[in-house]
Amino acid sequence: EAGVAQSPRYKIIEKRQSVAFWCNPISGHATLYWYQQILGQGPKLLIQFQNNGVVDDSQLPKDRFSAERLKGVDSTLKIQPAKLEDSAVYLCASSFWTGELFFGEGSRLTVL
Amino acid sequence: TQLLEQSPQFLSIQEGENLTVYCNSSSVFSSLQWYRQEPGEGPVLLVTVVTGGEVKKLKRLTFQFGDARKDSSLHITAAQPGDTGLYLCAGEGDSSYKLIFGSGTRLLVRP
Repeated sequence: EAGVAQSPRYKIIEKRQSVAFWCNPISGHATLYWYQQILGQGPKLLIQFQNNGVVDDSQLPKDRFSAERLKGVDSTLKIQPAKLEDSAVYLCASSFWTGELFFGEGSRLTVL
Repeated sequence: TQLLEQSPQFLSIQEGENLTVYCNSSSVFSSLQWYRQEPGEGPVLLVTVVTGGEVKKLKRLTFQFGDARKDSSLHITAAQPGDTGLYLCAGEGDSSYKLIFGSGTRLLVRP
């Protein structure tokens, strides 16, 4: 069974530029999550989708971050404009409904 | 806001030693998961505990959920270098499906 796919694995940009990350969850998984993990810290939930609807986006900095999950399958997370403090690993995860989360390898963002 | 605090933040031990990692909160969770994350990879689930007081064993790892479902511990017996990694607890809220992660404990087991 294919796992959660994320791209790109690495991205380096300058501050004020924009970046987009893509995630393809495990087939059949209704719930999709985007987490931000800063070096040395635990993952912080940015947004949670149930099919193509948003369940929770309370910690998403909406002035610069946006996410969508069209057709309830894959998802994109965009940052525009990026700040230095956005440097982190962006983890996508999916689950059948609730319960065990399956994570992708993450997209490491460096903002210079 | 529900928060999970893990201790210690970092642990460096010799192969063969025992250790315990703690995950504490002032909030009640309907369930609690433990994950291990290795460098360059996403976290991988180790166990889920649901019932207050529940104890689960996974080979040399023993997980316990507090009676009040506010805290949990992970005990590793005779640690091995392959146990090295970042251990994360994650709680599912009593009234929401949101999964909140703790700050993590980074474990280094020296040969």
